[in-house]
Parts: sequence; C-alpha cells; structure tokens
Amino acid sequence: AQRVTQPEKLLSVFKGAPVELKCNYSYSGSPELFWYVQYSRQRLQLLLRHISRESIKGFTADLNKGETSFHLKKPFAQEEDSAMYYCALSGLTGGGNKLTFGTGTQLKVEL
Amino acid sequence: EAQVTQNPRYLITVTGKKLTVTCSQNMNHEYMSWYRQDPGLGLRQIYYSMNVEVTDKGDVPEGYKVSRKEKRNFPLILESPSPNQTSLYFCASSFLAGGINEQFFGPGTRLTVL
Repeated sequence: AQRVTQPEKLLSVFKGAPVELKCNYSYSGSPELFWYVQYSRQRLQLLLRHISRESIKGFTADLNKGETSFHLKKPFAQEEDSAMYYCALSGLTGGGNKLTFGTGTQLKVEL
Repeated sequence: EAQVTQNPRYLITVTGKKLTVTCSQNMNHEYMSWYRQDPGLGLRQIYYSMNVEVTDKGDVPEGYKVSRKEKRNFPLILESPSPNQTSLYFCASSFLAGGINEQFFGPGTRLTVL
C-alpha cells in the first residue's frame, strides 16, 4: 500500500525565514511525487512535481529515495506563501494508477 | 477557459434525502476523480473514472455512487446522506490517469448533512 506522511499540521515562520515542509512516503516501486497548494478561498492547484526538477515561486523539492522523502523548501518565506500544502504520490496499484495525498501542512508566514 | 466546475458550491440537507453533486470539465480529460477533505485527514479519494463507463472505488467509497456516461461529466450521488458525510468535496480531472499527469481541481462543494 502507498502512503504519504506529513508530520506537521501547522508550520509558522517569520517572513524572510527559511521554510521546510516535510513529506515522507511509503511505496515499493518508483513513485511520482507532487506538491499541491491551496491558497485561502482558492481551489487546490499543482505547485511542482519531482520529475520536472523545477523551482516554482521559489520553492524546490528533491526526491530522496534513500530517506523516502520529498521535502518542500524555500530559502526566504513570503507572506503570500501562507497556504495549505499537500504532498501527493502517484503509484501503480492493482487497479491502476492511484494518487494518494498526505494530510496537509498549513503554512503561516508572519510579519 | 479550461476548468473544472462543481455544483452546488454549498448545500445543507437532511439525513436520508438523496442528492447529487455535479462535476464537469471542458478539457477533454479522460480521468476524473472525487475526493473529500476533512480536518486532520487530508484528501481521501472516493471514486475515480479512467474513461467513459469505467469507474472504480477509491479509499472511502461507502455511501457514494458515481456515473460516467459522458466524458465531461462525473456526478457524485449520495442516495441516503448521513451526518458523517458532512465534508468538503472536490472533483478533479487529468488528461490521463496517474503518472506525471497534473490533476485539475474544481472549487469544492461544502456539504452539511443534518
């Protein structure tokens, strides 16, 4: 079974401080990993996916297969980064591809 | 504009009164899915559809039904709603199932069952 764990429900940082949102996964094969973000009163949207190896809005995430982690990082937090962040894993199951979300981390950036 | 739409956005109903939440996408996506979002539990998949007339259970299908008669529509049906189905529901679609495909989400439907 595939599983995604986000250990922090709430992460509060000051503007300009570094941010790291933790994500660990459990999956026997090669996973496809994503970070989705939900800003206040907006729909969930894709932030980044590991295969793209890109930086979006200053955020990056590196897949560490040894530690089975996909932590989301940003060197300097901005007020507009305040949102709910979900880590997600896409993997093959008996019934086909399945997308599993973590429980989410609420990021609050304070002035 | 490419998007996923859901109706209604808000619904308050009573136990046992059948309801349907509609979902429609205009991106010609093959894959569609329903999730519920609950505090502390994140998003959990209810049902998904790989294509027209192909649907399957997700992690929490009990008490729900779906149908996929047309590619663009994927309604969620609660035949006899109960209070534990009070939640925020999201419909999503993607070009294909899984892999690196991005899922596009609807705005959500907040359902309260009294």
